Amino acid sequence: GAVVSQHPSRVICKSGTSVKIECRSLDFQATTMFWYRQFPKQSLMLMATSNEGSKATYEQGVEKDKFLINHASLTLSTLTVTSAHPEDSSFYICSARDLAGVRGEQFFGPGTRLTVL
Amino acid sequence: GENVEQHPSTLSVQEGDSAVIKCTYSDSASNYFPWYKQELGKRPQLIIDIRSNVGEKKDQRIAVTLNKTAKHFSLHITETQPEDSAVYFCAASIGGLTGGGNKLTFGTGTQLKVEL
Repeated sequence: GAVVSQHPSRVICKSGTSVKIECRSLDFQATTMFWYRQFPKQSLMLMATSNEGSKATYEQGVEKDKFLINHASLTLSTLTVTSAHPEDSSFYICSARDLAGVRGEQFFGPGTRLTVL
Repeated sequence: GENVEQHPSTLSVQEGDSAVIKCTYSDSASNYFPWYKQELGKRPQLIIDIRSNVGEKKDQRIAVTLNKTAKHFSLHITETQPEDSAVYFCAASIGGLTGGGNKLTFGTGTQLKVEL
């Protein structure tokens, strides 16, 4: 199946700093990538849809100025958590949709565990 | 927007028994329904999916049924094994190249425990 990678796998940072998370599709092109956040023992909540070459579409309640998304190429999307605070600590997971796929299947990255002290 | 409800939140079965997890969705335009298995700290893994033009799909011990009229779909696992223990999520989206952008709306998850 298609492979999606994320980097870093885990990060610990101080409150007020910014953290960048990369999501890459390794063996396919993805015009659309999705960013999810998952708190402990909860479901995946969609934060935003990242579109190559255009602005991301954010879900209601997600601050676009706090969670900056850049989808610069067909294989890379980045999520930057700006001025992170302890309540931003979570598991961030990206997914990508195969450009050629019509089934709607998404391939998930391994996730990034963010801990803000 | 789409709303997906999932039941039960926890399910404990004896090894060899069957497990059934049920989901309902609200948006009649949804036409793609995947099921994911997630182990602690890992990525969700697609285990089976179904599109709205099919009522049932089976893959070895796993099957999914879809009732479009009632807007509900179910996951069936037969002959459960300890390695089936994990959290299972249902999801719904409008699949295809147009419409909805393939946004997945997830259910709340079911913690399945298969006991020896």
